[in-house]
Amino acid sequence: SQQGEEDPQALSIQEGENATMNCSYKTSINNLQWYRQNSGRGLVHLILIRSNEREKHSGRLRVTLDTSKKSSSLLITASRAADTASYFCATDARAGGFKTIFGAGTRLFVKA
Amino acid sequence: NAGVTQTPKFRVLKTGQSMTLLCAQDMNHEYMYWYRQDPGMGLRLIHYSVGEGTTAKGEVPDGYNVSRLKKQNFLLGLESAAPSQTSVYFCASNWLGEPPSEQYFGPGTRLTVT
Repeated sequence: SQQGEEDPQALSIQEGENATMNCSYKTSINNLQWYRQNSGRGLVHLILIRSNEREKHSGRLRVTLDTSKKSSSLLITASRAADTASYFCATDARAGGFKTIFGAGTRLFVKA
Repeated sequence: NAGVTQTPKFRVLKTGQSMTLLCAQDMNHEYMYWYRQDPGMGLRLIHYSVGEGTTAKGEVPDGYNVSRLKKQNFLLGLESAAPSQTSVYFCASNWLGEPPSEQYFGPGTRLTVT
């Protein structure tokens, strides 16, 4: 079963707007990561946030983590058409070994 | 560095045929993974390896076998392909660490089983 579940499944916005994607998970984690996937390509790592961190920034990306609610959000500010991609959260649950579990992803479409 | 490479990029198999997917990484990573990605289901872990000569089952291991004879290579085998194994297969690798480092992904292999 999937550990992380992204919401919404799909998001369409205009260039320049902010995009917010959410991820919920079920079990305790050590860290949570966000990845991006362009159509037909492999995933590319965006940012990692540890369980003892609440917020992290990287360029136009802002990630928050609320371990009490078992949820995380990814905010992309001032979106660009090039941000069009699928975004996945991945949790390191540590259950049974070093396995990172991916959610089903949010498809973001940024209209120029 | 080439990073993570996968061969082949595309393959069409008939039900019952066998094949091996090859993953190679040149970053000296300890961990390697095989995932499959189906529409609307994200990535699911098939098998993984924490070092040369070791492998372990992931979430969906049935119908697949793997081998890690060399640190840089991780092979995924399908002994008797089934239409349910039609998918895009991704290999990934990362360093041993606490927390584990980001995973580096290959470009994927698109497999169709008819």
